[in-house]
Amino acid sequence: IQLTQSPSFLSASVGDRVTITCRASQGISSYLAWYQQKPGKAPKLLIYAASTLQSGVSSRFSGSGSGTEFTLTISSLQPEDFATYYCQQLNSYPHTFGPGTKVDIK
Amino acid sequence: QLQLQESGPGLVKPSETLSLTCTVSGGSITSSDSYWGWIRQPPGKGLEWIGHIYYSGSTYSNPSLKSRVTISVDTSKDQFSLELTSVTAADTAVYYCARRGVLIQLPFDSWGQGTLVTVSS
Repeated sequence: IQLTQSPSFLSASVGDRVTITCRASQGISSYLAWYQQKPGKAPKLLIYAASTLQSGVSSRFSGSGSGTEFTLTISSLQPEDFATYYCQQLNSYPHTFGPGTKVDIK
Repeated sequence: QLQLQESGPGLVKPSETLSLTCTVSGGSITSSDSYWGWIRQPPGKGLEWIGHIYYSGSTYSNPSLKSRVTISVDTSKDQFSLELTSVTAADTAVYYCARRGVLIQLPFDSWGQGTLVTVSS
């Protein structure tokens, strides 16, 4: 299963509402996760099962979607949110990742 | 708190075998609700799922790596390992070990810090 993400790069300001889309080449039910990765660090799990917030993650992050189209929304971008975001499907092996969306400061 | 730590050589010669170990602490590798996995990231690029193992030894690996990958577990040491044979420069990457839940919807929720492996003569 191939995953695509759009946009691949996003320039935004603190306080902006940001939406990232992940599309799967075939239906994956709700078996999608979102990660945040900062330079030199391991990815951090944000969302699983498409819309379930991982414990300890800020509620400004939310996820939605099912089937082939999913979105990650950051309701009000904070300075610590500037990072690269990846989706991952867990519906079937191999558990592929999307190519990533880099969120940069405008 | 669960912690994972990768260890192994940072430099491997082309055509040789890359070998990494992940040591689990703050929890047991024989936990019935965990898979233990490997993910890699070439410099400046995205994430690639390599595979995962259950403490019983049941594994699944990425077909893109064909038969070059072996993932194994040593329950007596709370460790699991990755071997990648016949490496080339394309295998240069940061290699992460991680833990995920066994239910289908559960992704990697604990990660090691990653270790850079360079393939070069």
